[in-house]
Amino acid sequence: QVQLVQSGAAVKKPGASVKVSCKASGYTFTNYNMHWMRLAPGQGLEWMGIINPGGDRTTYAQKFQGRVTMTGDTSTTTMYMELSSLRSEDTAVYYCARDDIFDPSPVFDYWGQGTLVTVSS
Amino acid sequence: NFMLTQPHSVSESPGKTVTISCTRSSGSFASNSVQWYQQRPGSAPTTVIYEVNQRPSGVPDRFSGSIDSSSNSASLTISGLKTEDEADYYCQSSDDNDHVLFGGGTKLTVL
Repeated sequence: QVQLVQSGAAVKKPGASVKVSCKASGYTFTNYNMHWMRLAPGQGLEWMGIINPGGDRTTYAQKFQGRVTMTGDTSTTTMYMELSSLRSEDTAVYYCARDDIFDPSPVFDYWGQGTLVTVSS
Repeated sequence: NFMLTQPHSVSESPGKTVTISCTRSSGSFASNSVQWYQQRPGSAPTTVIYEVNQRPSGVPDRFSGSIDSSSNSASLTISGLKTEDEADYYCQSSDDNDHVLFGGGTKLTVL
């Protein structure tokens, strides 16, 4: 069965970086892009960016340009999202979600379980 | 870029029908489709409608979607409301460069 399993919760200090992983299994990895979203307390879902299955093409939301890096390892079918220069407003649950590369528009059919990142001094 | 605007909250009684709207500020849902996700507290989102009006397997036919080109809006309708439908609902679309956007979310209360 399709599974996206994310790394565990993290607590970081302001200014630090966090790297969240998303291990994919149960499907043909090369047929799906991976997107990253977050849900901050009291806020709505926010799209951060997309990485292709080969891990060599990314598009980031303008808000996160310069602070986010998405990478992938096809050998382990794992995607990563690293966010730097953390501030308190980055406290959120971060999600990965897959999207069929053949879909005309992004549709997220499977999501990871979410990773809570807390930024606190 | 564009925006997706949803009502902050809606409420309705069990057994009734509720409709949640999602208005796109520019571009069109005809060119870039719309999806709807349900999110319960502490859980990841799940898809209830994709490509305007398609239901994933396992989603009851009480859930339906539509678009109105004249108002550039999409709607999610839930009929025969159940208490288990109480959740946050998000619309989602994209632009021609596959940049994704979510609406602000609508909290559905079934009381």
